[in-house]
Amino acid sequence: DAGVIQSPRHEVTEMGQEVTLRCKPISGHNSLFWYRQTMMRGLELLIYFNNNVPIDDSGMPEDRFSAKMPNALFSTLKIQPSEPRDSAVYFCASSLWAGGLTTLETQYFGPGTRLLVL
Amino acid sequence: EDQVTQSPEALRLQEGESSSLNCSYTVSGLRGLFWYRQDPGKGPEFLFTLYSAGEEKEKERLKATLTKKESFLHITAPKPEDSATYLCAVLSLYGSSNTGKLIFGQGTTLQVKP
Repeated sequence: DAGVIQSPRHEVTEMGQEVTLRCKPISGHNSLFWYRQTMMRGLELLIYFNNNVPIDDSGMPEDRFSAKMPNALFSTLKIQPSEPRDSAVYFCASSLWAGGLTTLETQYFGPGTRLLVL
Repeated sequence: EDQVTQSPEALRLQEGESSSLNCSYTVSGLRGLFWYRQDPGKGPEFLFTLYSAGEEKEKERLKATLTKKESFLHITAPKPEDSATYLCAVLSLYGSSNTGKLIFGQGTTLQVKP
């Protein structure tokens, strides 16, 4: 299996520009998570989808952030407009949730997108 | 509020020098404590899940243990390839639902010198 695929791996943009991060979860997984990692705040959950439906988006910093999962094969995280404080590594993770708690922890992470907003 | 604190922030060991990493947690009803390993430039990699006090799990030179307030990741006779950041997380439930999210600690960065 190819694992979770994220693109781009690196993104450098200027403040005010739109940024779109992409994620392809592991085939057959039905839960998808977007995380942000910074030195100051560590690893934080931004949004969590189950069967393509957003379950918890309380971690999304503000309206500038939006995420979509149009199907089980693909998700995007968009920042518009971007700001320097959005600079971080963004991870996507997926898991297979069978309806209980036991599979939530086996989240498989992608390699991340390192975002730098100048 | 559910919280996870890891110590030390950084740890340097000589190859073969055993030690332990600590993860203290505050959660309303522990449903699971998780250890991940993260190498530079990569995403976290799942290591263990512990569900109840007294539980232990092992993988190669790593052993994770759990009490009611904290978890330890014991590293026995470490090798340079064990160098990484080790993350601890707890499962925080959404109210009375049967699902939740992981709350991560800041991690312990381990460096093992040959």
